[in-house]
Amino acid sequence: DGGITQSPKYLFRKEGQNVTLSCEQNLNHDAMYWYRQDPGQGLRLIYYSQIVNDFQKGDIAEGYSVSREKKESFPLTVTSAQKNPTAFYLCASSGLAGRDTQYFGPGTRLTVL
Amino acid sequence: GENVEQHPSTLSVQEGDSAVIKCTYSDSASNYFPWYKQELGKRPQLIIDIRSNVGEKKDQRIAVTLNKTAKHFSLHITETQPEDSAVYFCAAGSGANSKLTFGKGITLSVRP
Repeated sequence: DGGITQSPKYLFRKEGQNVTLSCEQNLNHDAMYWYRQDPGQGLRLIYYSQIVNDFQKGDIAEGYSVSREKKESFPLTVTSAQKNPTAFYLCASSGLAGRDTQYFGPGTRLTVL
Repeated sequence: GENVEQHPSTLSVQEGDSAVIKCTYSDSASNYFPWYKQELGKRPQLIIDIRSNVGEKKDQRIAVTLNKTAKHFSLHITETQPEDSAVYFCAAGSGANSKLTFGKGITLSVRP
């Protein structure tokens, strides 16, 4: 899991601003995922991508957008439409989508003021 | 869709005792069941996983058992140590759609 990086570690934004979280992996994994973690809520899937230029909505996609222009990169944009964006965001990747272990990045803690 | 539940939500054990964490799932198509450990402020780390073609898997002090008929799987930690204190998540997935559904997590506390 050392091959997955997320930046920044902490992010502060004003309400109403869009913000983009970075996720990069050098593991040559096909699939990448974004999760949101809130206290007592576990990990909830926002978006996932099995191949380049394709992605699917997860369970809580509203107010978020993603792109997958390169295999190693899967940025997440938290838009102003997300009603409660303050959370810990985790990116993950796996070698063969759905059939292999997901490895997580170190996470980004987003605080909206 | 898949629904994964963990029981109990918190567990406290004495150092050296065993800990058992149970999860249930709803989708009979699920065939992959990983367990993750997350320390405070850190990323989840895979500690063990099991696939539906086996009933039990062990790795030193950690074991996982799977009952496909009852749709539940359990994590067993023997000879617990204070460094085992963390939040543990179970998850279930299938090859059909590549998603993992996570339980809400259990906080394990090991008392010295």
